[in-house]
Amino acid sequence: DAKTTQPNSMESNEEEPVHLPCNHSTISGTDYIHWYRQLPSQGPEYVIHGLTSNVNNRMASLAIAEDRKSSTLILHRATLRDAAVYYCILMVLGAQKLVFGQGTRLTINP
Amino acid sequence: GAGVSQSPSNKVTEKGKDVELRCDPISGHTALYWYRQSLGQGLEFLIYFQGNSAPDKSGLPSDRFSAERTGGSVSTLTIQRTQQEDSAVYLCASSLAPTGLAGRDEQFFGPGTRLTVL
Repeated sequence: DAKTTQPNSMESNEEEPVHLPCNHSTISGTDYIHWYRQLPSQGPEYVIHGLTSNVNNRMASLAIAEDRKSSTLILHRATLRDAAVYYCILMVLGAQKLVFGQGTRLTINP
Repeated sequence: GAGVSQSPSNKVTEKGKDVELRCDPISGHTALYWYRQSLGQGLEFLIYFQGNSAPDKSGLPSDRFSAERTGGSVSTLTIQRTQQEDSAVYLCASSLAPTGLAGRDEQFFGPGTRLTVL
């Protein structure tokens, strides 16, 4: 399975932007980059995904490097509810499962 | 709208007993997935269903684990002769189409069943 590397933890303040990095140097041309998050005591929740171009949705933005070896999930204005473990996952074409790493535990300070 | 539901939410059982965990996916979702999350561990894939068939059972940890899906909808994960190491949160997810088919479709997760084996 294609690997991703994320920092174990990050901390930010409420109402400030948060940039969560992910390295995926072994990504192949057909791998999609997915982000999920898991709030305390809940199942994972889809955040965003992309292939080559930057993506925006109501939850976040995904910035993908030109060489696709890294990406950044951007929360434009963090709230306390955004405190969660964020997982960066490469979705290999034809593979049905999500392979979760350890993710980044994001703490938001009031 | 209704999301993925799982039952029971909590299950406590004695070592050696069999347990059944149920998942009701979102209506119309053809793909269904089981994962588990052990205390302090990450999420690990168990099995994937497309319709009623399971093309990928590679994550089932032993032959004590089995799963079925009927009518392209409800799925049951069965653990026979439970062991203490089976204690975990078992999560079910569904997607409209197989996520890997095009790499795009998101998976919707249920709240999980917390299994405790004494």
